Amino acid sequence: EPEVTQTPSHQVTQMGQEVILRCVPISNHLYFYWYRQILGQKVEFLVSFYNNEISEKSEIFDDQFSVERPDGSNFTLKIRSTKLEDSAMYFCASSEARGRGSDEPQHFGDGTRLSIL
Amino acid sequence: DQQVKQNSPSLSVQEGRISILNCDYTNSMFDYFLWYKKYPAEGPTFLISISSIKDKNEDGRFTVFLNKSAKHLSLHIVPSQPGDSAVYFCAAIRNAGNMLTFGGGTRLMVKP
Repeated sequence: EPEVTQTPSHQVTQMGQEVILRCVPISNHLYFYWYRQILGQKVEFLVSFYNNEISEKSEIFDDQFSVERPDGSNFTLKIRSTKLEDSAMYFCASSEARGRGSDEPQHFGDGTRLSIL
Repeated sequence: DQQVKQNSPSLSVQEGRISILNCDYTNSMFDYFLWYKKYPAEGPTFLISISSIKDKNEDGRFTVFLNKSAKHLSLHIVPSQPGDSAVYFCAAIRNAGNMLTFGGGTRLMVKP
């Protein structure tokens, strides 16, 4: 079964450094998402991306964050100047259509654990 | 953000019995509800969903019930199996959107 793959599985970065998290969505999917889960807290939506532009974003997704689909297969999340509170598990997801129902659910990768020192 | 709430952090059930996981929401603009299952070190896996125009959806051992007036949904697993042991997340989507709003999760343990 096709799956969303994320690399690396664990990223350790010094505070203030830039970090790029990478995702390869399922190949025929058109909608792409980033979520994060801070330890002990809920999974939170960051951003959705369709047709090479952001379609929806949360309050968390401020100017420090950006997303890109640099080629036909990768989808990246960049954090420009990392803070301690950016430490979390970051999940990428993709969906064939708008990811709203049983015919088009959002499929998640296994996440990248980001640790900011 | 308490728009989607799962009040039971954990549930323990005997193999073969029914597991009932509950979820409450506050936002009337939610029109789709989903359940995801998550094993340790893996991402959430979609299980089943329900539209707000329905009150029940069934898929094999999994049934989701929606009570719109009470803003409550539940996931029933019958019969429960040890492999069902995982964290279950309730999630909701607003009209015209595709942002999932998650509950805090319920850890289900099915004992053999």
